[in-house]
Amino acid sequence: DVKVTQSSRYLVKRTGEKVFLECVQDMDHENMFWYRQDPGLGLRLIYFSYDVKMKEKGDIPEGYSVSREKKERFSLILESASTNQTSMYLCAIMSGVYGTGELFFGEGSRLTVL
Amino acid sequence: GQSLEQPSEVTAVEGAIVQINCTYQTSGFYGLSWYQQHDGGAPTFLSYNALDGLEETGRFSSFLSRSDSYGYLLLQELQMKDSASYFCASMGGGYQKVTFGTGTKLQVIP
Repeated sequence: DVKVTQSSRYLVKRTGEKVFLECVQDMDHENMFWYRQDPGLGLRLIYFSYDVKMKEKGDIPEGYSVSREKKERFSLILESASTNQTSMYLCAIMSGVYGTGELFFGEGSRLTVL
Repeated sequence: GQSLEQPSEVTAVEGAIVQINCTYQTSGFYGLSWYQQHDGGAPTFLSYNALDGLEETGRFSSFLSRSDSYGYLLLQELQMKDSASYFCASMGGGYQKVTFGTGTKLQVIP
């Protein structure tokens, strides 16, 4: 079974803090994704990575950065957290046969910025 | 860019059939996926269409028309446990970027 582990289920941070959200996979998958989910807005893509040290901006990258130094780990970084970044953050990997579009998600990290 | 539109809410009766539509605008389109998400849970993959036509998986079927930039998810013999949010997602735009719609909340009533 594919396993995607997000380091923290719940976090509370203060405005201006630097926040790290970690995502680890236990297989050798190239593609990893970070989404945020807000009511009525669905899942919005922040960044994705298709290989080590390779990253692409998604639809809402402003205020975020990412790091992928090793294949199994994809980190989302909020350089200076703001209240509008309060959200559920979901990490996903693309698995299966090439081109099937199947994503496996972690359990999510609910971030509250005060 | 990519955008996907789907209805925000649908209500259907237990045992009935429901269709959830999705229209998309995706550059470099590869295919359309569907995901189910129960409250408090993570999205789970249901189906994927890369070619035109109908794909059937048990009670769920998914359809794609590339020429119309349109797809739908068909749920048959609805059960109460099918109450959830359903998302369409397109793959495209290079490097297998996956973009989601805003989701359709399905309520199944007795």
